[in-house]
Amino acid sequence: GNSVTQMEGPVTLSEEAFLTINCTYTATGYPSLFWYVQYPGEGLQLLLKATKADDKGSNKGFEATYRKETTSFHLEKGSVQVSDSAVYFCALNVLGGSQGNLIFGKGTKLSVKP
Amino acid sequence: GAVVSQHPSWVICKSGTSVKIECRSLDFQATTMFWYRQFPKQSLMLMATSNEGSKATYEQGVEKDKFLINHASLTLSTLTVTSAHPEDSSFYICSARRGRQTGELFFGEGSRLTVL
Repeated sequence: GNSVTQMEGPVTLSEEAFLTINCTYTATGYPSLFWYVQYPGEGLQLLLKATKADDKGSNKGFEATYRKETTSFHLEKGSVQVSDSAVYFCALNVLGGSQGNLIFGKGTKLSVKP
Repeated sequence: GAVVSQHPSWVICKSGTSVKIECRSLDFQATTMFWYRQFPKQSLMLMATSNEGSKATYEQGVEKDKFLINHASLTLSTLTVTSAHPEDSSFYICSARRGRQTGELFFGEGSRLTVL
């Protein structure tokens, strides 16, 4: 079946540190991959996405590359800020399934200290 | 970006009562909305797909008589937890799709239900 596995948190970093949150997936077909972010007290927001192998999604300094050979979509940022503190969810979408609904990982909480 | 609002954001109720949670797309029309349930330290689990003007499609293992979904307009879907019990306590999240099947999903803030 389809599933997403992401590293467990919480992850605590100092400001300006390098961030990696690992995400791997299993899927039938050709999924699109997403990272969503949930800031405290807010709903999930799409952070970035990639729809095919070798695509790189990027936004707000975050990047993730769709690696089909390793079935991974790791999230990276070169220099985190306190404002990046949030919960990050990796997700996939297999079109042609149940209306292409999203399958989420468990989420990784990131805390950035000044 | 597009805005999806849920109400109430938190609710406490007695066991045996019913609770209704609303999900509204404030600045776009959504023919499809989704309802999720999130347990602590767990991923969002899709409960059902809500289609405007037709019956909801429930995921396997979700009791349709327990979780009533109504999508009466293009901007509103409701989830009613009937005869709630403490095990129904959870965080419920909705999302709305803007556009067609590949349209982006926009999420509500979530509603925390506590059943005493």
